[in-house]
Amino acid sequence: EEQLVQSGAEVKKPGESLKISCKGSGYRFSSYWIGWVRQMPGKGLEWMGVIYPGDSETTYSPSFQGQVTISADKSISTAFLQWSSLKASDSAMYYCARRSYVGRDMDVWGQGTTVTVSS
Amino acid sequence: QSALTQPASVSGSPGQSITISCTGTTSDVGGYNFVSWYQQHPGKAPKLMIHDVSNRPSGVSNRFSGSKSGNTASLTISGLQAEDEADYYCFSYTSSSTGVFGGGTKLTVL
Repeated sequence: EEQLVQSGAEVKKPGESLKISCKGSGYRFSSYWIGWVRQMPGKGLEWMGVIYPGDSETTYSPSFQGQVTISADKSISTAFLQWSSLKASDSAMYYCARRSYVGRDMDVWGQGTTVTVSS
Repeated sequence: QSALTQPASVSGSPGQSITISCTGTTSDVGGYNFVSWYQQHPGKAPKLMIHDVSNRPSGVSNRFSGSKSGNTASLTISGLQAEDEADYYCFSYTSSSTGVFGGGTKLTVL
């Protein structure tokens, strides 16, 4: 079964750093782009960016460029989303999703990681 | 870039059909056939329902269909069922090689 499994919920303080993960299985991880999607409480989905684990080519949404870092380690079939200095406004659910092989849709989704930033 | 425009809410009775619109620009919806639709139930991850404007993934009911005309894409759900009550999001590839979601539409089955 093709699946993405994300790391568990995080509770952090403003200014702290954080790295969450998304592990793929059941398919050739290095051959599919992985995207990250933010959903703030009670709000809609926001596309953050994508990475191609095969060569780590990355594209960011202008809204998230410079705010987060997307990376991947194909040797462990895992993609990452990280912050160097969290803000309260980063509190949200974060989903990783696999982009389909040919199109630009997201056909396999992780279960989501809740990030709470509070002093 | 700005989010694609969707109605905030739609509703219909069981057995009826509803259509959700998704309006963008020539730089996204109108410029590419990379429009997809996602269903999200409360507390759950989104699920792909339509890809490449009008294609259904394996396992998705044929009650769901998609189309596009100019800068507007549409999702139609026929034979509404209680289980269809959820939030629906459109998504498009853009000319900047990024992606953009619609604001989401809450579907209520009366």
